[in-house]
Amino acid sequence: EPEVTQTPSHQVTQMGQEVILRCVPISNHLYFYWYRQILGQKVEFLVSFYNNEISEKSEIFDDQFSVERPDGSNFTLKIRSTKLEDSAMYFCASRGTGDETQYFGPGTRLLVL
Amino acid sequence: AQSVSQHNHHVILSEAASLELGCNYSYGGTVNLFWYVQYPGQHLQLLLKYFSGDPLVKGIKGFEAEFIKSKFSFNLRKPSVQWSDTAEYFCAVCPPGRRALTFGSGTRLQVQP
Repeated sequence: EPEVTQTPSHQVTQMGQEVILRCVPISNHLYFYWYRQILGQKVEFLVSFYNNEISEKSEIFDDQFSVERPDGSNFTLKIRSTKLEDSAMYFCASRGTGDETQYFGPGTRLLVL
Repeated sequence: AQSVSQHNHHVILSEAASLELGCNYSYGGTVNLFWYVQYPGQHLQLLLKYFSGDPLVKGIKGFEAEFIKSKFSFNLRKPSVQWSDTAEYFCAVCPPGRRALTFGSGTRLQVQP
């Protein structure tokens, strides 16, 4: 069964450093999402992406964040200058056309020191 | 504020007990409703979903949920839980006109053998 994959599974970084989280969505999906879950809190929407552009973003997704689909398979989330409060589990999800269901990857646990 | 509420944060049951997890949302209009499960160390998996039609939906692993429009609720049920149902359960809503999911805070279910 096709799955969304994410790399790395864990990343530790210093405050102020840039990180790139990678996702490989399900191959025929066209809608892509990033969510995050700070420890002990709700899963929160960050951004959705379709047709090579952001279709929706939350207030969390400020200028420090960016997304890109650099090739036909990867979907990345970049945090330019990480802050302590960016420590969270980041989930990628994808959705096919005509299907409202989002399929989630296993997540990347980001720890900012 | 518009939101999704899960009333039970931590539920402990014995095997064979019946389960009902509450989910209420505050959005008006037509919403898509989901229950996701996250087993220990694994990613979010779809249990079941409701878009329209029969308000009683059946999902995987013997789970079902009932959409009650007048109560803005989408409660998850299982007649007889197993130890393997130990996991965290998330209710999610796709509000009208949006594609992003809004999640509840999750319910941690612990099933004791």
